[in-house]
Amino acid sequence: ELKVEQNPLFLSMQEGKNYTIYCNYSTTSDRLYWYRQDPGKSLESLFVLLSNGAVKQEGRLMASLDTKARLSTLHITAAVHDLSATYFCAVGNTGNQFYFGTGTSLTVIP
Amino acid sequence: NAGVMQNPRHLVRRRGQEARLRCSPMKGHSHVYWYRQLPEEGLKFMVYLQKENIIDESGMPKERFSAEFPKEGPSILRIQQVVRGDSAAYFCASSPLPGGNTEAFFGQGTRLTVV
Repeated sequence: ELKVEQNPLFLSMQEGKNYTIYCNYSTTSDRLYWYRQDPGKSLESLFVLLSNGAVKQEGRLMASLDTKARLSTLHITAAVHDLSATYFCAVGNTGNQFYFGTGTSLTVIP
Repeated sequence: NAGVMQNPRHLVRRRGQEARLRCSPMKGHSHVYWYRQLPEEGLKFMVYLQKENIIDESGMPKERFSAEFPKEGPSILRIQQVVRGDSAAYFCASSPLPGGNTEAFFGQGTRLTVV
């Protein structure tokens, strides 16, 4: 079974600071997705990464994928309070599933 | 194009009752996934269905749980004889292509509480 690990699980950061969330997965895949979930809400798609070396940016968030290292990163630049949420990475596999990481709960404090 | 629609949003059942959760995928999407999320945890895959077919149910408990996606109508996740441990948020997602090849779009979830 494909395993997806995220770290850190919990992240408290000050506004204006930068940080990176890591997503490691256990078997070969070239499809990696990042989602955001606000408390009590559904999951919102943030990024779709479909090839080695893919990099996508939206506002203060930037995601990248290294399929050889089986690693994706979600980098946060100059955090603001509105980014407080739980972030999930998910990996697609040839078995037609999405496997989710455990999530990173981000709190941005003033 | 409406998003993935789940109903009900909240469902309360007594122990031993049945729970039926419905999911209407986005228009044009024929691939449906069900996930369970316990408080403060990630999403656990339960089942992947295409129209009229169960493709992968490796995440489904062997007893009391079943899922279907008929030719007409929504996908249904059915939990028989619910127990307190079934209390969770159940999310449905849909995609236009086979799982993993494109992003999945999620519904708002059904929050099941067993009392």
